[in-house]
Amino acid sequence: QAVVTQEPSLTVSPGGTVTLTCGSSTGAVTSGHYPYWLQQKPGQAPRTLIFDTNKKHSWTPARFSGSLLEGKAALTLSGAQPEDEAEYYCLLLSGGPWVFGGGTKLTVL
Amino acid sequence: EVQLVESGGGLVQPGGSLRLSCVASGFTFSSYWMTWVRQAPGRGLEWVANIKQDGSQKNYGDSVKGRFNISRDNAKNSLYLQMNSLRAEDTAVYYCTRGMTHWGQGTLVSASS
Repeated sequence: QAVVTQEPSLTVSPGGTVTLTCGSSTGAVTSGHYPYWLQQKPGQAPRTLIFDTNKKHSWTPARFSGSLLEGKAALTLSGAQPEDEAEYYCLLLSGGPWVFGGGTKLTVL
Repeated sequence: EVQLVESGGGLVQPGGSLRLSCVASGFTFSSYWMTWVRQAPGRGLEWVANIKQDGSQKNYGDSVKGRFNISRDNAKNSLYLQMNSLRAEDTAVYYCTRGMTHWGQGTLVSASS
């Protein structure tokens, strides 16, 4: 089972842009890992923002986008809002099982 | 409206067993893979297990393989997680989810003496 790595914490200024990344111990992350990005705020269940690398749900704000970047999955937030402060988790398909990353705590400050 | 309602959590001694249930409504349960995800207090999300629509394929995370068993009863729109040989590190809120899109409210399992 792969180990999935994320930045433990990042800070972005309101209105700024930030990219969160998601790597795999087994090598480059590809579309075959079907990367997901989930957002979780304190006391709430997680919600998926991005699935299958770059697909959005109807509730995903347009300022979030997913991509593959230099062998990793990436979540880019363009025009950060105070309500984007949260924990962000990536999820990768690792053979049969899936594996979550450790999460990135994003601060908007 | 899609609804997932977990139950069966509680306090159990290390080494004990517990069976979680998740009752689904608002969609055709038999058409979807279903997944269990857990979150230990103050910790991140951990993928636990998933099961194919007809129950013919199951996958498990390394930390629960050989101890937990996922199953489903499509006639009852229900998903289950049989947890055996519980350890302190299994203490967590357990969520059932359909495709990481729809989540239950979670049920708390505490393995402690």
